[in-house]
Amino acid sequence: GDSVTQMEGPVTLSEEAFLTINCTYTATGYPSLFWYVQYPGEGLQLLLKATKADDKGSNKGFEATYRKETTSFHLEKGSVQVSDSAVYFCALSGNFGNEKLTFGTGTRLTIIP
Amino acid sequence: NAGVTQTPKFQVLKTGQSMTLQCAQDMNHNSMYWYRQDPGMGLRLIYYSASEGTTDKGEVPNGYNVSRLNKREFSLRLESAAPSQTSVYFCASSEGTGHHNSPLHFGNGTRLTVT
Repeated sequence: GDSVTQMEGPVTLSEEAFLTINCTYTATGYPSLFWYVQYPGEGLQLLLKATKADDKGSNKGFEATYRKETTSFHLEKGSVQVSDSAVYFCALSGNFGNEKLTFGTGTRLTIIP
Repeated sequence: NAGVTQTPKFQVLKTGQSMTLQCAQDMNHNSMYWYRQDPGMGLRLIYYSASEGTTDKGEVPNGYNVSRLNKREFSLRLESAAPSQTSVYFCASSEGTGHHNSPLHFGNGTRLTVT
């Protein structure tokens, strides 16, 4: 079945550092890929998405590119802020009638001033 | 605009007790979901309702029942709570089931402890 493997955390970075959180997937067909973010005490919210190969999703300075050849969707940000501290979840949605979301285990990110 | 509202925020139960988690959305979404979040496991789908009047099992439905009361409300019931059901429960909604065009909107969660 479909699965998502995320970089294990926790990840701790200094403010203004470069961020990469790795995500790889296994799926049949042509899934859509997502990053969701969970701030402390809140539910998840969609951060960005990409629906086909080579698409780049971007939002709030975060980017991720859908790489079918390496089955990856790594999350990057050039300069992180304290307010980016959260748990980040990679997820995929299958196609052809199997559209429920499959989530990775989440990566906790802490940014220190 | 409240989005997705879950009650209660916290609950402690003894093994064997029953309870219902409530969820309501005010976005006129067709689809609603219940997930549980456990450390190292990510989010796992318990049940979902693609539209009013329908419910389907997700990945981990055992020990739970659901009711789609109307378009706004989707409740999750634990008939006889077990310690393995200690978790954080999230309700979510989306306009449709095609997530590439219809992202999930989550509530803030219910932290349940079963002793």
